[in-house]
Amino acid sequence: EAEVAQSPRYKITEKSQAVAFWCDPISGHATLYWYRQILGQGPELLVQFQDESVVDDSQLPKDRFSAERLKGVDSTLKIQPAELGDSAMYLCASSLAGPRGGYTFGSGTRLTVV
Amino acid sequence: LAKTTQPISMDSYEGQEVNITCSHNNIATNDYITWYQQFPSQGPRFIIQGYKTKVTNEVASLFIPADRKSSTLSLPRVSLSDTAVYYCLVFGLTGGGNKLTFGTGTQLKVEL
Repeated sequence: EAEVAQSPRYKITEKSQAVAFWCDPISGHATLYWYRQILGQGPELLVQFQDESVVDDSQLPKDRFSAERLKGVDSTLKIQPAELGDSAMYLCASSLAGPRGGYTFGSGTRLTVV
Repeated sequence: LAKTTQPISMDSYEGQEVNITCSHNNIATNDYITWYQQFPSQGPRFIIQGYKTKVTNEVASLFIPADRKSSTLSLPRVSLSDTAVYYCLVFGLTGGGNKLTFGTGTQLKVEL
């Protein structure tokens, strides 16, 4: 079964440092999503890509977060500078065309900011 | 975007059938209902999706009454490995509804 790959699996960083997460979606999936999940809560959408274009980044804290999907395939989410409140699981998901038929999520990157 | 309401937690025993009901009173005509399962330290996993009446797959069944203001996820004969958080979501196919917005889900705990 095809999977969404994410790395690293875990990341510990000091506040004010920069951190980056990588996601490789399922081959052929045009839509890619980044979600943030705080412990005990459901995932919150940060950014949605259609191919290489950002479709929705309304919930992305743009003063410190950035996301790109340069060739419409893999994607990188960056935080600079990291803050203590950024500690969370960062999940990447992909789909053929939106939520109909389901998203496939990766296993996520667990970020701890100290 | 229709808001969903589901129980915070449920307990069950192995071998029992579990039904998790979700209310979505403001569901729009073009909205679909979908359910995801999430284990600790993993991403959510798609379970089932439907528009009306009943949908069944190898994992679960989804019952949607005619008014579509609620839906019920049915898990037959649960096992310990079904302990997870279950999310009920509603989405449309266009515009701002064409994405998944998660709530806090239902924590299902299955015991021996």
